[in-house]
Amino acid sequence: NAGVMQNPRHLVRRRGQEARLRCSPMKGHSHVYWYRQLPEEGLKFMVYLQKENIIDESGMPKERFSAEFPKEGPSILRIQQVVRGDSAAYFCASSPRPGRGGNSPLHFGNGTRLTVT
Amino acid sequence: AQRVTQPEKLLSVFKGAPVELKCNYSYSGSPELFWYVQYSRQRLQLLLRHISRESIKGFTADLNKGETSFHLKKPFAQEEDSAMYYCALSYNTDKLIFGTGTRLQVFP
Repeated sequence: NAGVMQNPRHLVRRRGQEARLRCSPMKGHSHVYWYRQLPEEGLKFMVYLQKENIIDESGMPKERFSAEFPKEGPSILRIQQVVRGDSAAYFCASSPRPGRGGNSPLHFGNGTRLTVT
Repeated sequence: AQRVTQPEKLLSVFKGAPVELKCNYSYSGSPELFWYVQYSRQRLQLLLRHISRESIKGFTADLNKGETSFHLKKPFAQEEDSAMYYCALSYNTDKLIFGTGTRLQVFP
């Protein structure tokens, strides 16, 4: 089992471009979580998805950010018209069932480091 | 609001010395607390959780509700313990709230 796979590892975008971050959960995992880590800060929850459903997007910025987890394929975090403040590390985690981190431990990917120039 | 505070950005000790990484939380109910670790060039992984009251790699953490703390301790640090450590809280949801992390450096 290859674990949670995120790509790309590093992504550079100019202001105004779109960024697409991909996350393939572990085999058999149908729950995906996205976290963002700004410089000098902890990981902050963004969105929780199950296959084809957004369960909790309370941590997502209201504009420009969207996420999906289609029936087939990876979960995608999409940032439109990126700005410098979007520069951060974006982590994806998966679990086989709703995970509070302990009862069903979250498995994290290596993250995508987005740099907006 | 729920919050996790890790007051130390960096903790440096020599091999064999005791280690305590501090974590305080704010939450009025009954939270679940966790410690996650990220070794160099590796992904974030669960180290231990308070509900299991276990010792992993010699580390223990006790939930102190009176002091709202969940400090991570190890009596004798090893060089391979050098990593980033994150304290996290979960409450009635599927979200984890992370602290800002403490980098532990263990010198030979």
